Amino acid sequence: DGGITQSPKYLFRKEGQNVTLSCEQNLNHDAMYWYRQDPGQGLRLIYYSQIVNDFQKGDIAEGYSVSREKKESFPLTVTSAQKNPTAFYLCASSTRALTRGNQPQHFGDGTRLSIL
Amino acid sequence: LAKTTQPISMDSYEGQEVNITCSHNNIATNDYITWYQQFPSQGPRFIIQGYKTKVTNEVASLFIPADRKSSTLSLPRVSLSDTAVYYCLVGPGRDNFNKFYFGSGTKLNVKP
Repeated sequence: DGGITQSPKYLFRKEGQNVTLSCEQNLNHDAMYWYRQDPGQGLRLIYYSQIVNDFQKGDIAEGYSVSREKKESFPLTVTSAQKNPTAFYLCASSTRALTRGNQPQHFGDGTRLSIL
Repeated sequence: LAKTTQPISMDSYEGQEVNITCSHNNIATNDYITWYQQFPSQGPRFIIQGYKTKVTNEVASLFIPADRKSSTLSLPRVSLSDTAVYYCLVGPGRDNFNKFYFGSGTKLNVKP
């Protein structure tokens, strides 16, 4: 069954610690995205990647880092520089938007990060 | 980038038809309209997408008038399980790519 898997579902971070959130997809999608969602709010784009070995900053990239070494994987690291990391993190993927654009995004079920 | 405006919340009862309207006055010629549904503690799920007139699938209909400055998501005979947040997006997104603003959406509350 094709889809996006995010792990872990819940994650706790100590002060000054980096943590990495996993995102894997088997949909053969080129594009992948990371969003952050705070309670009662919409989604805000952190980073996105259109193709392997390439990624771009979104609206709130400070304090986060990503890598895209494989098509299937797009891990997000929340660094100690992110002062308010408590949030719900969502990973998504889509086919590449070329001339037509607006390709529907497929989302994982998220990772909830909390500070100890 | 086309900005969208939708009601913050709506209430309905089981069995009713629900219509959620989204305004997008500065929609561009090559923009499509896409709706997503999100349940608590889950990722958004694609519902329907359209360009003009009417689109229907197994879960919803999307009505788009000729000027395309608004659109209406119609959910027939809602049930309690349709209680969720519904997002309206317009694009291909920023830089002609799939980078969208997900606003706060419309929180639909279906009552028994």
